[in-house]
Amino acid sequence: EVHLLESGGGLAQPGGSVRLSCVASGFTFGDYTMTWVRQAPGKGLEWLSVISGSATGGVTYYAGSVKGRFTISRDNSRDTLYLQINSLRAEDTAVYFCAKFPSPRIVRHLFYFDSWGQGTPVIVSS
Amino acid sequence: QTVVTQEPSLSVSPGGTITLTCGLSSGSVSASDYPSWYHQTPGQAPRTLIYNTNIRSSGVPDRFSGSILGNKAALTITGAQTDDESDYYCMIYMGDGTSVFGGGTKLTVL
Repeated sequence: EVHLLESGGGLAQPGGSVRLSCVASGFTFGDYTMTWVRQAPGKGLEWLSVISGSATGGVTYYAGSVKGRFTISRDNSRDTLYLQINSLRAEDTAVYFCAKFPSPRIVRHLFYFDSWGQGTPVIVSS
Repeated sequence: QTVVTQEPSLSVSPGGTITLTCGLSSGSVSASDYPSWYHQTPGQAPRTLIYNTNIRSSGVPDRFSGSILGNKAALTITGAQTDDESDYYCMIYMGDGTSVFGGGTKLTVL
């Protein structure tokens, strides 16, 4: 059974940084594309970033709203996905979910998520 | 910036049929946009319902179906149950490695 467990959230200072982690189990992590999605309090889902599987070189893409401040990465030896968020803003306050794609590649017809983690909350406040 | 549009809220009676739609501010949604649908109850993680327009994810009951209706993607619930009361989100692939969620539809079953 696929299991995704996020961590690293909590209270963070405006202008600071945070690194979120997502530990995967139940599948060969390195073989699959992974993504981050967030949800601000009382708001909808926002897709953030994607990284392809190791066989395709870990290609990354970002939503325009976070490009330049967010960095997605993965350590396949640790079965772990990361999201580095710099220059934190109040509007980054949200629950951050990691999710798994059904494919190693970022391709149009397979751009959806087949498993989700439970999320980790980030609160940006002084 | 392309906006994905959904009805903010809808309601259906138990046993009834309801269709939620998903459009694009910049034009039409087609099957080649590979729309997907997710639902989420408060405090829970999202769950995948439909992908590639009309393919149900594993374990999703067949009362959920996806389609293209006119220029929008659509999610139809036939024989709604009280457990279907949830927030529903569509997602559209933008063709450049990125994707956008709609604002979500809050479905009430009463």
